[in-house]
Amino acid sequence: SYELTQPLSVSVALGQTARITCGGNNIGSKNVHWYQQKPGQAPVLVIYRDSNRPSGIPERFSGSNSGNTATLTISRAQAGDEADYYCQVWDSSTLVVFGGGTKLTVL
Amino acid sequence: EVQLVESGGGLVQPGGSLRLSCAASGFTFSSYSMNWVRQAPGKGLEWVSYISSSSSTIYYADSVKGRFTISRDNAKNSLYLQMNSLRDEDTAVYYCAREEGAGGAFDIWGQGTMVTVSS
Repeated sequence: SYELTQPLSVSVALGQTARITCGGNNIGSKNVHWYQQKPGQAPVLVIYRDSNRPSGIPERFSGSNSGNTATLTISRAQAGDEADYYCQVWDSSTLVVFGGGTKLTVL
Repeated sequence: EVQLVESGGGLVQPGGSLRLSCAASGFTFSSYSMNWVRQAPGKGLEWVSYISSSSSTIYYADSVKGRFTISRDNAKNSLYLQMNSLRDEDTAVYYCAREEGAGGAFDIWGQGTMVTVSS
């Protein structure tokens, strides 16, 4: 079965750049989607198909995907960006796969 | 406003059944594939089931295959999840989510409904 690996936690200083990785075998050949989830709330899509931002998502959020790693980048991190972030792909055998999630802390 | 609203959660004993509903509004429900995703307390997201726009294609996670049944009624703009033979490990918040395209992202999520399986 296909698996996605994320770091449990990432810390970033206020105003700096945070990078959250999502590892998977040849993930560069798949479309990767990223979700933000704040405590007690439903997930929100922040990046779809590797690098596209839905309307309403700040330009500070960007994504890339190559080889065995996809990356969500949050520039000029704000306190309001503190949340859990999940990557997700569709796989032909496992179907829908979510990463384990990364807790982002803004210091 | 594009919206998904789940209902039907609650407390059920192990081995029991529950039917979740998801009411869609603000978009052409019949044009979109839909999914159920769950999240156990303090845990990550787990995909549960998928149904295509016309109900012609249905998928399940191995963890619920044979126990859960997904369905939809496009005339009523509603998605359902029939859950039978419930286990303790099915305890979770259940979200319905719209899929934005083939193999695409889940672009709209409901607020979730809590299912607790306990004796």
